[in-house]
Amino acid sequence: GEDVEQSLFLSVREGDSSVINCTYTDSSSTYLYWYKQEPGAGLQLLTYIFSNMDMKQDQRLTVLLNKKDKHLSLRIADTQTGDSAIYFCAESPNNAGNMLTFGGGTRLMVKP
Amino acid sequence: ETGVTQSPTHLIKTRGQQVTLRCSSQSGHNTVSWYQQALGQGPQFIFQYYREEENGRGNFPPRFSGLQFPNYSSELNVNALELDDSALYLCASSSGLARKQVEQFFGPGTRLTVL
Repeated sequence: GEDVEQSLFLSVREGDSSVINCTYTDSSSTYLYWYKQEPGAGLQLLTYIFSNMDMKQDQRLTVLLNKKDKHLSLRIADTQTGDSAIYFCAESPNNAGNMLTFGGGTRLMVKP
Repeated sequence: ETGVTQSPTHLIKTRGQQVTLRCSSQSGHNTVSWYQQALGQGPQFIFQYYREEENGRGNFPPRFSGLQFPNYSSELNVNALELDDSALYLCASSSGLARKQVEQFFGPGTRLTVL
């Protein structure tokens, strides 16, 4: 079955870059996503990448995909205190429409 | 364009009771998915509705059921509530399967507490 793994916690200083990592097991994954969740809130779609791409950049966000190793990362440049939140990696299997399998989330803490 | 809305925001029930949660999808979206997020965990897929038909189900028992209405809003019903059903229930909408719409937009969730 599908499995998505993330490290639990990351702490960075304001202005530094943050890199959040994710591994997945389903080789048929078509799309891979990054969502942000702030305390007491729902999920905000940050970005996603199609499985035939290696990299996607969107303003301060860079997504890297290593399909061979089934490894996905999210780099946040110039991290701000407002970036403090839980970040979820998710994958969508090729044959399952938009049904997402999420990782357990990485809590990012940004220190001033 | 309105986003995904859910009601109620919070709900407290006791074991054995039944609950109905509601979701209004984003304008133009005909697909609704429901997820359960237990405290400290990632969301788990419950089921998805596309044009009023169930289109896939996760590993949840039959006491979790749903509906989608002609206006694409949706309900999640849970019967015989158990303590482990306490969670944040998230609804997500997307524009449907035919265009392979990949973006799912989530509502703020309903926090259910079962005592």
